[in-house]
Amino acid sequence: GQQVMQIPQYQHVQEGEDFTTYCNSSTTLSNIQWYKQRPGGHPVFLIQLAKSGEVKKQKRLTFQFGEAKKNSSLHITATQTTDVGTYFCAGLTRANNLFFGTGTRLTVIP
Amino acid sequence: DADVTQTPRNRITKTGKRIMLECSQTKGHDRMYWYRQDPGLGLRLIYYSFDVKDINKGEISDGYSVSRQAQAKFSLSLESAIPNQTALYFCATSDFGGWEGTDTQYFGPGTRLTVL
Repeated sequence: GQQVMQIPQYQHVQEGEDFTTYCNSSTTLSNIQWYKQRPGGHPVFLIQLAKSGEVKKQKRLTFQFGEAKKNSSLHITATQTTDVGTYFCAGLTRANNLFFGTGTRLTVIP
Repeated sequence: DADVTQTPRNRITKTGKRIMLECSQTKGHDRMYWYRQDPGLGLRLIYYSFDVKDINKGEISDGYSVSRQAQAKFSLSLESAIPNQTALYFCATSDFGGWEGTDTQYFGPGTRLTVL
């Protein structure tokens, strides 16, 4: 079964509103990676977190890795139309297997 | 990522036909992967290869086979295509000790396969 669950599956927001997607693993992870896939495109790497409780920021994007290294979140502040796409987390297990979450498709309404 | 190319980009075929999807990379990475993407299911790993002599099954390898012809080339075959193999297929590469992190995936543009 799916080892990395991601919610929500879809999110519609008004431009300027915040957005968060959550990722949960059934097992402890070595690292968590986040990717963005624009409509019609391919997944593109955004960031990797490897330390317990780690928080990283990229402009309006904030990424967190849980203390137990089993969950992660991506938060976008004040969404813009350029944020549209599907956001995937991917967890690397200690057995060096990478499992992608099911993705959250973000729609931003102008 | 232009360093990872896939051919063909689109393919329509009929049930029972043999299909080969090809992937080439100029990133110099040892690790290569094949994923399929279906709506609502995310990316699922079909096969992966950590070097030329290493081939491993992923989550959903049934009905697929692969060949690692060189460090830069990794092909995916559907020996006898069936309609539920209709999907978007991505090749990816990674560098275990890459500067962006462990096993960061660099994806090709994808191949959209339709099996009628």
